[in-house]
Amino acid sequence: DVKVTQSSRYLVKRTGEKVFLECVQDMDHENMFWYRQDPGLGLRLIYFSYDVKMKEKGDIPEGYSVSREKKERFSLILESASTNQTSMYLCASSLWTSGSYEQYFGPGTRLTVT
Amino acid sequence: GESVGLHLPTLSVQEGDNSIINCAYSNSASDYFIWYKQESGKGPQFIIDIRSNMDKRQGQRVTVLLNKTVKHLSLQIAATQPGDSAVYFCAEGDTGGFKTIFGAGTRLFVKA
Repeated sequence: DVKVTQSSRYLVKRTGEKVFLECVQDMDHENMFWYRQDPGLGLRLIYFSYDVKMKEKGDIPEGYSVSREKKERFSLILESASTNQTSMYLCASSLWTSGSYEQYFGPGTRLTVT
Repeated sequence: GESVGLHLPTLSVQEGDNSIINCAYSNSASDYFIWYKQESGKGPQFIIDIRSNMDKRQGQRVTVLLNKTVKHLSLQIAATQPGDSAVYFCAEGDTGGFKTIFGAGTRLFVKA
């Protein structure tokens, strides 16, 4: 089974701190994604990566950056955390095969910025 | 921008009954649609998908129907069980499989 792990389940940070969220997948997937999930808004794409060192902005990239130095690891960085970045963050990976767009999700990191 | 929406935020069904979760989408150019299930404390999990050139697809106890004329998607769960209690998301995506747009979700409650 595909396994996607995230470095923390719960995280509390102060406004202005730099925050790193780590995601690791063990199935050699090319594509990795970062979403944030807020009540009533579903999942919104922050950034995605289709290869090592490659990244593309999603729908809400402002205030975030990402890093993909190794195929299995995709990091989300909040350069200066703000209270409106309090949310659930979900990482996902996928392997593009004919006819399947399935994404495999990690358990999520609930980030609170105070 | 394009959006994927749901008709009902919550749905309550009796154990053993069939459940129908509906979804409206707005991008007529979307190539595929996926249903995900998210249980409490977990990330979303793939249930079933359907390509735009199909109107029905069946899985184990689940069926997805796609009506492109009215841009409507539904997930049918047969013989609903307590373990089906979760939030269900519909999602639409582009042909590259990168940008998937998720709906807000429907919470399904199964009454024993």
